Amino acid sequence: DTAVSQTPKYLVTQMGNDKSIKCEQNLGHDTMYWYKQDSKKFLKIMFSYNNKELIINETVPNRFSPKSPDKAHLNLHINSLELGDSAVYFCASSSGQGDPYGYTFGSGTRLTVV
Amino acid sequence: SQKIEQNSEALNIQEGKTATLTCNYTNYSPAYLQWYRQDPGRGPVFLLLIRENEKEKRKERLKVTFDTTLKQSLFHITASQPADSATYLCALVPLRNAGNMLTFGGGTRLMVKP
Repeated sequence: DTAVSQTPKYLVTQMGNDKSIKCEQNLGHDTMYWYKQDSKKFLKIMFSYNNKELIINETVPNRFSPKSPDKAHLNLHINSLELGDSAVYFCASSSGQGDPYGYTFGSGTRLTVV
Repeated sequence: SQKIEQNSEALNIQEGKTATLTCNYTNYSPAYLQWYRQDPGRGPVFLLLIRENEKEKRKERLKVTFDTTLKQSLFHITASQPADSATYLCALVPLRNAGNMLTFGGGTRLMVKP
């Protein structure tokens, strides 16, 4: 069983469209995250979310919004897509601060905006 | 400004040697530091976590040190193998950061030649 699964794996779309990326974890973790990895391979935190609070990295445009229907899911919605949004997006989860097992990442969604 | 710096140049070593990767950080007071491995087209995979009150942590052929005075962590792979070739990322959570938002360095690519 895949611990953190993302769909789709690849997403090609036109500028201006709205798209969603889904993420599910079956680890029973309390906190889920979205990261963006750009062409230079830097991983940047976008959101941290548990059932109590949403933490947003201040550099993330408000066109990006996480939606969590339940503890096991954290979907990423992107409105009015721009060329600069092209990147690989990773979902991750953890059981809390100081988790000795670290974060568990999904395999990524490669978004290409044309 | 806060920075996590890893050597952006690839590290090439011969099989059987010890690989040593460096992670330096500025303007952080992390509660702990983590190391991850990332293979092309995959998400990062957690390797080791070391807390601020620990000097050294070992796991099989891996060893991590953490010097909070120097603000530096070293990651060692002993008896390296070609299968160890990957990008290695260090990451930390600031001591009093809400949301456990793990922040990553840019990674160092390791190439182990047979």
